[in-house]
Amino acid sequence: GENVEQHPSTLSVQEGDSAVIKCTYSDSASNYFPWYKQELGKGPQLIIDIRSNVGEKKDQRIAVTLNKTAKHFSLHITETQPEDSAVYFCAANPSPGGTSYGKLTFGQGTILTVHP
Amino acid sequence: EAGVAQSPRYKIIEKRQSVAFWCNPISGHATLYWYQQILGQGPKLLIQFQNNGVVDDSQLPKDRFSAERLKGVDSTLKIQPAKLEDSAVYLCASSLGDYNTEAFFGQGTRLTVV
Repeated sequence: GENVEQHPSTLSVQEGDSAVIKCTYSDSASNYFPWYKQELGKGPQLIIDIRSNVGEKKDQRIAVTLNKTAKHFSLHITETQPEDSAVYFCAANPSPGGTSYGKLTFGQGTILTVHP
Repeated sequence: EAGVAQSPRYKIIEKRQSVAFWCNPISGHATLYWYQQILGQGPKLLIQFQNNGVVDDSQLPKDRFSAERLKGVDSTLKIQPAKLEDSAVYLCASSLGDYNTEAFFGQGTRLTVV
């Protein structure tokens, strides 16, 4: 089955700096790669996603890049703010045919702390 | 629009007892998922429903876990009997359909087995 590795497990940055979180996956059939933000006591919230026919996607301060050949994808947050502090999870969909976007294998998570 | 609703928010039980969790998905969402999130880990899929049918329950420990979605809307997840290692947050998610639609998560139910 699919295996998703996420690094680093913790990341501490100063407000205004950039943060980068990297993930690798094992199943070449996966074609959907979302990133979720989870705040304390809440469920994961989708912040950005990318499909395998796209190499990069950007939404304001957040961007995701995908390298299908190397089977890795990354989350980039620019101009970080204290409210960006949370646990971030990458995920990949392991379904045969890759069309079930809620059926996900998650990484282990990255605790991001943004210091004012 | 209203999000995915789950109850209860917290539950503490003794090992070998039974427990049930309830989920009400976003209105109109045909696909429903239950995930287990152990502290410090990413969520792990337990079961996926499409309307009231099971699509994938390959990771559900069927000797003690069961789930149903009788009318294709609300769903319940049951554990009987509970073990200490079942302590986790149980997340419900829903999506509009099985194909090419993102999943939205509820706040989860935190289960502590003592």
